[in-house]
Amino acid sequence: GQQVMQIPQYQHVQEGEDFTTYCNSSTTLSNIQWYKQRPGGHPVFLIQLVKSGEVKKQKRLTFQFGEAKKNSSLHITATQTTDVGTYFCAGRGGTSYGKLTFGQGTILTVHP
Amino acid sequence: GAGVSQTPSNKVTEKGKYVELRCDPISGHTALYWYRQSLGQGPEFLIYFQGTGAADDSGLPNDRFFAVRPEGSVSTLKIQRTERGDSAVYLCASSLDLPGPGNTGELFFGEGSRLTVL
Repeated sequence: GQQVMQIPQYQHVQEGEDFTTYCNSSTTLSNIQWYKQRPGGHPVFLIQLVKSGEVKKQKRLTFQFGEAKKNSSLHITATQTTDVGTYFCAGRGGTSYGKLTFGQGTILTVHP
Repeated sequence: GAGVSQTPSNKVTEKGKYVELRCDPISGHTALYWYRQSLGQGPEFLIYFQGTGAADDSGLPNDRFFAVRPEGSVSTLKIQRTERGDSAVYLCASSLDLPGPGNTGELFFGEGSRLTVL
């Protein structure tokens, strides 16, 4: 079945440093979504990417979807302590269009 | 309600017992998802419904797990003969519809039901 892998598993940064997490799918995706889960909370939707090579920005966050629609990345510029949490990518693809498969997430800690 | 509601928030049971977890989605959302999340892991897909029918139940681990959504709104996840390995947070999510023009198909998650099997 479809697998979605994320690296790194953990990332510790000093406040003000940049952060990037990478997502790779074993199969071509129809679209990919990104979610953020704060400690003790539930996943919250950030964005969806649909088109090959698509780049979207939300303030300090930049999301990219690969040309082959099998990989994606999330980059945060100048991290803040409010960025702490786990970032998940989640992809749709294959024969089951509605099924959303999550990666294992990247846990981000930001030291002030 | 304003968001996805899950009950109970915590459930402690003994090995071998039967458990039901309830999810009340956002009103008007046609798609409903069940995921299971263990500590330090991403949400693991179990099943999703489009309306009343289970559109994909490929993530249910075995026949001890079953889910229903009889009227296309509230859903119940049922676990028979619970095992210690079933301990996890069970997350329910709903979305307005599947992705399409003008709709991202984003999932709105509930706070989860934490199941502990002793």
